[in-house]
Amino acid sequence: GENVEQHPSTLSVQEGDSAVIKCTYSDSASNYFPWYKQELGKRPQLIIDIRSNVGEKKDQRIAVTLNKTAKHFSLHITETQPEDSAVYFCAASRGGFQKLVFGTGTRLLVSP
Amino acid sequence: NAGVTQTPKFQVLKTGQSMTLQCAQDMNHNSMYWYRQDPGMGLRLIYYSASEGTTDKGEVPNGYNVSRLNKREFSLRLESAAPSQTSVYFCASSERGISSYEQYFGPGTRLTVT
Repeated sequence: GENVEQHPSTLSVQEGDSAVIKCTYSDSASNYFPWYKQELGKRPQLIIDIRSNVGEKKDQRIAVTLNKTAKHFSLHITETQPEDSAVYFCAASRGGFQKLVFGTGTRLLVSP
Repeated sequence: NAGVTQTPKFQVLKTGQSMTLQCAQDMNHNSMYWYRQDPGMGLRLIYYSASEGTTDKGEVPNGYNVSRLNKREFSLRLESAAPSQTSVYFCASSERGISSYEQYFGPGTRLTVT
C-alpha cells in the first residue's frame, strides 16, 4: 500500500521568511496530492491540492510542486505570517481520490 | 449550512465498554470517512463509504465497525473499547468535483479509554 513520508517534523521560521515542507510517496500510481492545515484544536482544512498531470500549482503565497519521477512533492509558503503557524499534512491517493494516506505532519512556527 | 457535525465532542470509556460516534453532513456529499489522529501519526483512515450503501476498510479498521445510515449520516462503533483506541476521531465528507476532491472535516471527538 501507499506510504507517505513528511519532513521536517518541526520547522521554525521568522516572519517574512519562506517555508518548505517535503513529502515522498511510494505508490507510483498515486495521482492526487492535497495539503491540509490544522490549527491547534481545530479540524484539518484543505489549503491546496495538485493532480499528477500538473507539475506546479500556486495560490497567492502558497505553492505546491510535484516531481513524479522522484515521487516527491513539496509545499512552499512565501512571506510567512504568524497566522501560518499550524500543523501541515501532506497526503496522497490513487484511483477514486478517496483513500487518502497522510504524512505524519509538520509543525510550522512563525515568529514575529 | 452546518457542514460536518460530530457527536459527542468528548467521551471517556472504560476498557470493554461500547459506544457509537455519530457523524452527519448537510452538503449532499456522496463520500464519507472516519479517521483517527494520534500524536506523531498524522491522520489514519479507519473506514470510508464511497456512496450510500457501501463501506470499505481503510488503513486501521480493526476494532471498529461502521454504518452508512443514509446519505447524510455515517456512524463509527467501538464494540469493546481498548486503551489503544484513545485518540481524536474525525469524520469527513467529500464530493468528486471538476477540479478538487476536498474532504471537509468535522470538529472531532476526543475519546479516552481507561
